[in-house]
Amino acid sequence: SQQGEEDPQALSIQEGENATMNCSYKTSINNLQWYRQNSGRGLVHLILIRSNEREKHSGRLRVTLDTSKKSSSLLITASRAADTASYFCATTRNDYKLSFGAGTTVTVRA
Amino acid sequence: EPEVTQTPSHQVTQMGQEVILRCVPISNHLYFYWYRQILGQKVEFLVSFYNNEISEKSEIFDDQFSVERPDGSNFTLKIRSTKLEDSAMYFCASDDQRGSQPQHFGDGTRLSIL
Repeated sequence: SQQGEEDPQALSIQEGENATMNCSYKTSINNLQWYRQNSGRGLVHLILIRSNEREKHSGRLRVTLDTSKKSSSLLITASRAADTASYFCATTRNDYKLSFGAGTTVTVRA
Repeated sequence: EPEVTQTPSHQVTQMGQEVILRCVPISNHLYFYWYRQILGQKVEFLVSFYNNEISEKSEIFDDQFSVERPDGSNFTLKIRSTKLEDSAMYFCASDDQRGSQPQHFGDGTRLSIL
């Protein structure tokens, strides 16, 4: 299976702190995407990084990709209470279906 | 911003009954997907659909499942004879350029089988 696996499983931080979560996968990929899921809601796309890219930024989000280590990280800077959610990485290969990890649950304390 | 919409938000059905979950993908998108998430578990791929036919399906997508794009806007998932283990959140997704653009998800349908 080439599913991503995130760590940590859960993360609790103070508002204003940075949150970092990691994702590892097993086989070569086409791209890697990060999604957010608020409790009971759908998946909101955050950022897509292609296999030939190493780093991408979007607002307070920074994603890195290391294809040699088959890993990615998502950094959320200056966290806010509204960032409380589960975060999932998902990879695609040439078949384009998304293979999701188990997710990291982030709690931002006010 | 265009959205993927799913109805109903919650469906309760007796075991053995047929259920149809509905999705309206983003209008200019060409590729459509169904995923499911059993409570507390990973999101799992079920099926992808393009040009009015299934592109790929997972092991989960057995003969009890079918998909259809009946009218050019709706994309439906039918479960013919539901089982208890079909209880899950079902998500529809679409994209317009497979592999290079993100898949956009709906808010899901929570399916509860009694």
